[in-house]
Amino acid sequence: QVQLVQSGAEVKKPGASVKVSCKASGYTFTSYGISWVRQAPGQGLEWMGWISAYNGNTNYAQKLQGRVTMTTDTSTSTAYMELRSLRSDDTAVYYCARGGTVFNWFDPWGQGTLVTVSS
Amino acid sequence: EIVLTQSPGTLSLSPGERATLSCRASQSVSSSYLAWYQQKPGQAPRLLIYGASSRATGIPDRFSGSGSGTDFTLTISRLEPEDFAVYYCQQYGSSPVTFGGGTKVEIK
Repeated sequence: QVQLVQSGAEVKKPGASVKVSCKASGYTFTSYGISWVRQAPGQGLEWMGWISAYNGNTNYAQKLQGRVTMTTDTSTSTAYMELRSLRSDDTAVYYCARGGTVFNWFDPWGQGTLVTVSS
Repeated sequence: EIVLTQSPGTLSLSPGERATLSCRASQSVSSSYLAWYQQKPGQAPRLLIYGASSRATGIPDRFSGSGSGTDFTLTISRLEPEDFAVYYCQQYGSSPVTFGGGTKVEIK
């Protein structure tokens, strides 16, 4: 079955960087894109951006431009999201989700990775 | 960007009742590119509906979606105990992709 498995929880200090992984299985990785969505504690869902696993094209949310980088490794069917210059309001659960193009619904989602930013 | 407003914020209903959730967009959603997700505590969201009215694989037929343009509705015909959760709408017709703030369906 189609599955996305994410890396484990992280605790980072303000100003640091975090890199979350998302390993795909059960489908042809390069036939789809991966979006990243985050959810602050008790809050709603925020789309962060999308990457094509076919050619590496990206589309980032404007508010994160310059701080976020999304990449893929097709040899291991894994997507990565790196967020730099972390602030306390970056504390959230980060999800990867499969999509087609950037204009697509998301299905399925990874289990989520909690990133805590605290001094 | 397209802002999605969901109402009500909380819906208090009993099992067996009908639930009607609204999602209104600040501008027309192109090609009815609207999806609905269910999220339970501690879990990732699950896709219910895409294209405004198409049920995702494995979703029971008590869930239905309708609407176009700026007004969309998710209807749960008869609430089952496992349906009490938070529901989000999402538009994916224009960048950036945006989500509504969610509707919590709680047991009355």
